[in-house]
Amino acid sequence: GQQVMQIPQYQHVQEGEDFTTYCNSSTTLSNIQWYKQRPGGHPVFLIQLVKSGEVKKQKRLTFQFGEAKKNSSLHITATQTTDVGTYFCAGQYYDKLIFGTGTRLQVFP
Amino acid sequence: DAGITQSPRHKVTETGTPVTLRCHQTENHRYMYWYRQDPGHGLRLIHYSYGVKDTDKGEVSDGYSVSRSKTEDFLLTLESATSSQTSVYFCAIRTSGGPYEQYFGPGTRLTVT
Repeated sequence: GQQVMQIPQYQHVQEGEDFTTYCNSSTTLSNIQWYKQRPGGHPVFLIQLVKSGEVKKQKRLTFQFGEAKKNSSLHITATQTTDVGTYFCAGQYYDKLIFGTGTRLQVFP
Repeated sequence: DAGITQSPRHKVTETGTPVTLRCHQTENHRYMYWYRQDPGHGLRLIHYSYGVKDTDKGEVSDGYSVSRSKTEDFLLTLESATSSQTSVYFCAIRTSGGPYEQYFGPGTRLTVT
């Protein structure tokens, strides 16, 4: 079946350092979405990427979609304590989203 | 939060008992989803619905059934709960227009002893 792998599983950074999480799909995706889940909370939609090679920015967050539409990345510049949480990618497959396993980000002040 | 509520929010039950979790939405979305979240596994789709009485299986549907008799309610039933079904369960809706993002409910923490 369809699988979406995400690495790393955990990342601990000092506040101000950069952070990147990577997502790889076993199949070509029509689009990819990114979600953030704060500790004890529910996933919250961040962004969707649709086009091959697409790059989108949200303040300090940069999202990329690979040329083959099978991989994606999220990069956070100069992390802040408010960035703490788990970041999930999710590949669209017909009516379903296949979620990656997530990357838990811890930021130390 | 797209008007999504889940009930109960917490439940402890014994192995072998039936359990029903409810998801309620107020915005008339066609698509609704049930996920379970476990450490190391992310979010895994159990079942989803694309309309009243229209449902389909996800990747971890064994041991679960669903029903949707009206647009606003999507029920998840564990016919005979097992300890492996201890998890956090999230309901979600999908928006009708692009980019078809999903909005999640607050979750139900289920413990099967």
